[in-house]
Amino acid sequence: EAQVTQNPRYLITVTGKKLTVTCSQNMNHEYMSWYRQDPGLGLRQIYYSMNVEVTDKGDVPEGYKVSRKEKRNFPLILESPSPNQTSLYFCASSPSSGATYEQYFGPGTRLTVT
Amino acid sequence: QKEVEQNSGPLSVPEGAIASLNCTYSDRGSQSFFWYRQYSGKSPELIMSIYSNGDKEDGRFTAQLNKASQYVSLLIRDSQPSDSATYLCAVAHSYNQGGKLIFGQGTELSVKP
Repeated sequence: EAQVTQNPRYLITVTGKKLTVTCSQNMNHEYMSWYRQDPGLGLRQIYYSMNVEVTDKGDVPEGYKVSRKEKRNFPLILESPSPNQTSLYFCASSPSSGATYEQYFGPGTRLTVT
Repeated sequence: QKEVEQNSGPLSVPEGAIASLNCTYSDRGSQSFFWYRQYSGKSPELIMSIYSNGDKEDGRFTAQLNKASQYVSLLIRDSQPSDSATYLCAVAHSYNQGGKLIFGQGTELSVKP
């Protein structure tokens, strides 16, 4: 089954404790992206990757890191999480970064930072 | 002005009626338009994409695009209670912005039995 997977699905952590949210897709998609969704602010892009070893900032990259060492994986790293990073996170993938390509979302990771 | 605007709702329609969801966007260079459905606590699910002016039909769903007026709409015919969800309008620009989708805030739809 073609899908985007994320782990963990739920995470409660404390301020400053480094964490990684994994994202993997089995569709051989070139493009992957991370979004966060907050009430009243909608979905906002954090980082994206157009291919292996090619990443760039989205609208809200502060406090996050990413890497793309393999085509299928695009982990999101929070080096020192803070309470304002409490949010619902979605990974998405697409065959290409072109505007006409549809993006498919993973199931989401609900993160709470206390 | 927000780049992509939707009425937040909630929009309430009776079962069997037509639900009409609207979206306006500010960038005339926008090229691709998508409708996602999102159930509470779940991920956005792509239901329609449209790239040229006019109507595009898929089952009970019809997307309409008018680039001159900068709006895109989604019609849901024969609405069912299972259609109750938040509908997100998303827009992609013609120039390369890393494939970023610009999302509206979403319209909450409630279909009453």
